Amino acid sequence: GQSLEQPSEVTAVEGAIVQINCTYQTSGFYGLSWYQQHDGGAPTFLSYNALDGLEETGRFSSFLSRSDSYGYLLLQELQMKDSASYFCAVTGTNAGKSTFGDGTTLTVKP
Amino acid sequence: GAVVSQHPSRVICKSGTSVKIECRSLDFQATTMFWYRQFPKKSLMLMATSNEGSKATYEQGVEKDKFLINHASLTLSTLTVTSAHPEDSSFYICSARDSKGYTFGSGTRLTVV
Repeated sequence: GQSLEQPSEVTAVEGAIVQINCTYQTSGFYGLSWYQQHDGGAPTFLSYNALDGLEETGRFSSFLSRSDSYGYLLLQELQMKDSASYFCAVTGTNAGKSTFGDGTTLTVKP
Repeated sequence: GAVVSQHPSRVICKSGTSVKIECRSLDFQATTMFWYRQFPKKSLMLMATSNEGSKATYEQGVEKDKFLINHASLTLSTLTVTSAHPEDSSFYICSARDSKGYTFGSGTRLTVV
């Protein structure tokens, strides 16, 4: 089976940097993904790491360490619109399906 | 980028009736689609994997006869909630794998009254 752990809530101020960690336990591993979900909306894809290291996409970066079963999402230059829930998800070996963490609610304050 | 269209976005139905939710990949072919259910402030729970031309694979605890999945073409998967009850009220979301990752539909908020 697969299980993921991520903090339930994070609060930061505009312009700051925040890191959301995700640790996982999985019987098979293809990659770690991150998704953003605003209230009432559907998740949107942010990033995907299949190999160790840092992937940078604009203000968002994602890191993976397969040996530590650990990854994080780094959000820089926080904006109010970044307030949302962020989910990490592991894609295992079984038909490409993903298991999601419980999500981290990020609140950005002025 | 890849687009997954999901309809309807909201539906209210009476107990005992059935509701069909459609999920279409608009600019790519999806041999596999995934159906999730999400309760308020909770994570996405995978219900089933929809496979084009074959039977869906259901997760443990998901009733196959209640949540009927059909994947008749490379661009369309449907989820039918049969004999709906108030406890089936939830946010249902489909997703499909594209070249960059997984793209989600916009979700369907089902309310059973």
